[in-house]
Amino acid sequence: DTAVSQTPKYLVTQMGNDKSIKCEQNLGHDTMYWYKQDSKKFLKIMFSYNNKELIINETVPNRFSPKSPDKAHLNLHINSLELGDSAVYFCASSHAQGPNEKLFFGSGTQLSVL
Amino acid sequence: LAKTTQPISMDSYEGQEVNITCSHNNIATNDYITWYQQFPSQGPRFIIQGYKTKVTNEVASLFIPADRKSSTLSLPRVSLSDTAVYYCLVDSSGSARQLTFGSGTQLTVLP
Repeated sequence: DTAVSQTPKYLVTQMGNDKSIKCEQNLGHDTMYWYKQDSKKFLKIMFSYNNKELIINETVPNRFSPKSPDKAHLNLHINSLELGDSAVYFCASSHAQGPNEKLFFGSGTQLSVL
Repeated sequence: LAKTTQPISMDSYEGQEVNITCSHNNIATNDYITWYQQFPSQGPRFIIQGYKTKVTNEVASLFIPADRKSSTLSLPRVSLSDTAVYYCLVDSSGSARQLTFGSGTQLTVLP
């Protein structure tokens, strides 16, 4: 069983469209994250949720809206997609917040905006 | 939020020991140092974590000097399959946990 799974793996779409990426973890973790990785491999946190509550919201355009229906799921909805949104998006989870918590990542969603 | 600095890339040959050093001059008292490994088309994977001195597991060793302003990930006898990007992460805990990875070190193991 995949611990952190995200779908779809590839997403190709036109500018201006709205799309969603889904993430689920079966580890029983309380905290989930969305990361964006650019072409230079820089991996930046976007959002973090703890037990369905938003705890981190980095400087991300409000076209990006995370939604956590329960603590095992954290979905990412993107409105009015732009060329600059093209990147790999990773979902991750950890047991809880804290300085020694390990992050478990999904395999990523390659988003290409044309 | 402690900033980390790592070499952009390193090359090595199979069977050699590889040491990747990360600088984190502004590390705070409660910060841990964690290393992740990322293969192409996969998410990062936890390798090792430490707070001070030396930590060793089945995959790697982590050396942290007394001032904790740097750390060195040591991979013994690398193989081609160790070719990956390695990220050093310093976790600045606070009211909200923030984790931003840098651009990592691309390790290429040559035959």
